[in-house]
Amino acid sequence: AQSVTQLDSHVSVSEGTPVLLRCNYSSSYSPSLFWYVQHPNKGLQLLLKYTSAATLVKGINGFEAEFKKSETSFHLTKPSAHMSDAAEYFCVVGLANAGKSTFGDGTTLTVKP
Amino acid sequence: DAGVIQSPRHEVTEMGQEVTLRCKPISGHNSLFWYRQTMMRGLELLIYFNNNVPIDDSGMPEDRFSAKMPNASFSTLKIQPSEPRDSAVYFCASTDSGRGSYNEQFFGPGTRLTVL
Repeated sequence: AQSVTQLDSHVSVSEGTPVLLRCNYSSSYSPSLFWYVQHPNKGLQLLLKYTSAATLVKGINGFEAEFKKSETSFHLTKPSAHMSDAAEYFCVVGLANAGKSTFGDGTTLTVKP
Repeated sequence: DAGVIQSPRHEVTEMGQEVTLRCKPISGHNSLFWYRQTMMRGLELLIYFNNNVPIDDSGMPEDRFSAKMPNASFSTLKIQPSEPRDSAVYFCASTDSGRGSYNEQFFGPGTRLTVL
């Protein structure tokens, strides 16, 4: 069984300040972990994925996430927010070689000028 | 690759009409997923297929919804009869869930359905 919890439904930051979107997961097996971004009226786009090769994962647009097994967390960060980062972000847990993944409820990121 | 293709992109219909949404997954992917997204309920998994076989349809709302995957390159989601509460964005996604894969899903652009 697997589950994922996004700890904040809304996060608001000022442009140029750091972004932190929090995600905790549970999984009976070694998980695959992903972050997706969805801009308004768009589909979901993969930001980054954890595949056990490295605990610090770099993604597109300057985002990165760190896998911490002891804390069962996979938080998404970015050093400096840009207005174009305003979107909804989904944390996802899956299983390698398996089918269905579990999506979190999403975090809406607002970036203030 | 063109990515996951969905059609139509927008559909407006009247209550009681049949609606068919279409999806072409990425070539070589063996799993396909149908999702529904609304403001109230967020993103919901409706059904997923592996090697063209439905594996889990527990998210299908009711008998008015049906999904098929006649071959590896095509799937449909049908609503008959449609109701206003079916208005949502419907996403199709595909992945390679074979050995050694990590199952990242690739999403189509979605079909925005409005039932009047």
